[in-house]
Amino acid sequence: KAGVTQTPRYLIKTRGQQVTLSCSPISGHRSVSWYQQTPGQGLQFLFEYFSETQRNKGNFPGRFSGRQFSNSRSEMNVSTLELGDSALYLCASSLDGTITDTQYFGPGTRLTVL
Amino acid sequence: AQSVTQPDIHITVSEGASLELRCNYSYGATPYLFWYVQSPGQGLQLLLKYFSGDTLVQGIKGFEAEFKRSQSSFNLRKPSVHWSDAAEYFCAVVGNQAGTALIFGKGTTLSVSS
Repeated sequence: KAGVTQTPRYLIKTRGQQVTLSCSPISGHRSVSWYQQTPGQGLQFLFEYFSETQRNKGNFPGRFSGRQFSNSRSEMNVSTLELGDSALYLCASSLDGTITDTQYFGPGTRLTVL
Repeated sequence: AQSVTQPDIHITVSEGASLELRCNYSYGATPYLFWYVQSPGQGLQLLLKYFSGDTLVQGIKGFEAEFKRSQSSFNLRKPSVHWSDAAEYFCAVVGNQAGTALIFGKGTTLSVSS
């Protein structure tokens, strides 16, 4: 089975722009979660989607949003980019989104905001 | 609130020597605990997980971890380190909010010397 794929792998944007990142989960997986990884804050949970519904959200401003499509693919959007949004954004998928499900991570999208 | 502490930011171990990476958690109920590894430029790979039962958990790549409730610890061990084990290691716990959001420690970087 193919793993979790994320596109693009690298992005460079300027302050004030918006960006959309894409995540394709492992085939058959219905839960997708997003995490932000920075040197200062480490790995932080952004949100989780299951069957096209946002089930859980981390402590991030409303500029961060996401959605999930009927094929379980997910996108996250960041509007009005700030320098502090520079990070590695990781997507993880799991089969049924239960607490004991293993989450499989993609390679991430490296976002640089100038 | 749940939290995970990894006291060691960076550890250097000689190839062939044993390894122990420390992890302490703060959680009110029975925790669901994980160890992930991240190689440079890669996403996170699950090494092992603990939900219940036997407190000594075996994982991939020869790693094991022991859950000690009395010490709120979930330390990762390997009897003989290989140069390919050099990476960043993250301990995580599932938060008690709805869904499966992972709360990560800040990570421990492992260097292996020859």
